[in-house]
Amino acid sequence: EAQVTQNPRYLITVTGKKLTVTCSQNMNHEYMSWYRQDPGLGLRQIYYSMNVEVTDKGDVPEGYKVSRKEKRNFPLILESPSPNQTSLYFCASTKTGRGNQPQHFGDGTRLSIL
Amino acid sequence: AQTVTQSQPEMSVQEAETVTLSCTYDTSESDYYLFWYKQPPSRQMILVIRQEAYKQQNATENRFSVNFQKAAKSFSLKISDSQLGDAAMYFCAYRSPNFGNEKLTFGTGTRLTIIP
Repeated sequence: EAQVTQNPRYLITVTGKKLTVTCSQNMNHEYMSWYRQDPGLGLRQIYYSMNVEVTDKGDVPEGYKVSRKEKRNFPLILESPSPNQTSLYFCASTKTGRGNQPQHFGDGTRLSIL
Repeated sequence: AQTVTQSQPEMSVQEAETVTLSCTYDTSESDYYLFWYKQPPSRQMILVIRQEAYKQQNATENRFSVNFQKAAKSFSLKISDSQLGDAAMYFCAYRSPNFGNEKLTFGTGTRLTIIP
């Protein structure tokens, strides 16, 4: 089954404690991206990757890091989380250069930073 | 930069009736892609329908159809014969045709309630 898998689905943690949200896709997609969803703001892009070892900032990259060492994985790293990073996070993937193709989303990760 | 506006934070409709969700966008590009995504309480993002700007014909998927007005930069979603399972948050999204960042620019969403 084609899917994007995120882990964990829920996490409550404290300010400053480094955390990683994993994302893996089994569709051999070149492009992967992270979004955060906040009430009244919709989804906003954090970082994206066009292929292995190629990453770039999205609209709200502050406080986040990513890496793309393998095509299937695209982890999101919060090195020193703060309460304003409490949000719902989505990983997405798609084939590059086919604009009408849908992005496949993971099931979301609810992060609470206390 | 492109922007997407959904001016209706909440909508409700009687079961079996028809409802239209509004979406407008701002862009200087002539070619692009538009999408409607559904987010039920399970939080999944589910593609409902897509439209290529170069196609004049409005997209249709079963009970879901769009009214795409390119000159007005409007992309509304019509749901016919509303069902209880249609209750969700609906997001309109824009995607540039340019190779590179395949970013989706989302609106703020419309929460749809179905009244039994």
